[in-house]
Amino acid sequence: EVQLEESGGGSVQPGGSLRLSCAASGFTFGNFWMYWVRQAPGKGLVWVSRINSDGSTITYADSVKGRFTISRDNAKNTLYLQMNSLRAEDTAVYYCTRDWRNLGFDYWGQGTLVTVSS
Amino acid sequence: QSALTQPASVSGSLGQSITISCSGVSSDVGGYQHVSWYQQYPGKAPKLMIYEVRNRPSGVSSRFSGSKSGNTASLTISGLQAEDEADYYCSTYRTNLLFGGGTKLTVL
Repeated sequence: EVQLEESGGGSVQPGGSLRLSCAASGFTFGNFWMYWVRQAPGKGLVWVSRINSDGSTITYADSVKGRFTISRDNAKNTLYLQMNSLRAEDTAVYYCTRDWRNLGFDYWGQGTLVTVSS
Repeated sequence: QSALTQPASVSGSLGQSITISCSGVSSDVGGYQHVSWYQQYPGKAPKLMIYEVRNRPSGVSSRFSGSKSGNTASLTISGLQAEDEADYYCSTYRTNLLFGGGTKLTVL
């Protein structure tokens, strides 16, 4: 069974840092592009970052560029999102998801809540 | 990047059919077959309902169908059921992944 499980969310003050993890199981993790998508409370889905199967191609949304770093460890079947210089507007549930077919994301984690507040 | 344009809300009666539109431009919806649709219940993760404009993943009801004309993609739900009441999001590619603003479907 394919599973994605995020962890690492929590409450942090503005300017702080958090590292999210997404543990993958039930499929060959190293074969898939992986994405982070976030959803602010009561708002829609927003793409955050993506990484290709071997980690050589990485892209970020303009809103997080220079502050967030995506990475992966295919040996550990884990995706990461290092978030620095956090702002109130980064408050959201963060989902990891895999690109199954041409930006069709068939499996999503349950999400992890990040709250940035003083 | 601005989101793709979806109606904020649509409603329909049990058994009726509804269509949710997703409007973009020639450099996103109009230019690629990478249109997907997601269903999301409150507090839950999104669920893939349609990929590559019109394809249904295994396990998704045939009541859900997708199409595209020009720069507008559409999700049609036929034979509305109570459990279809949810938020629906379209997505496609424009330099990177882009989502619509979401549509709240109310089943009357």
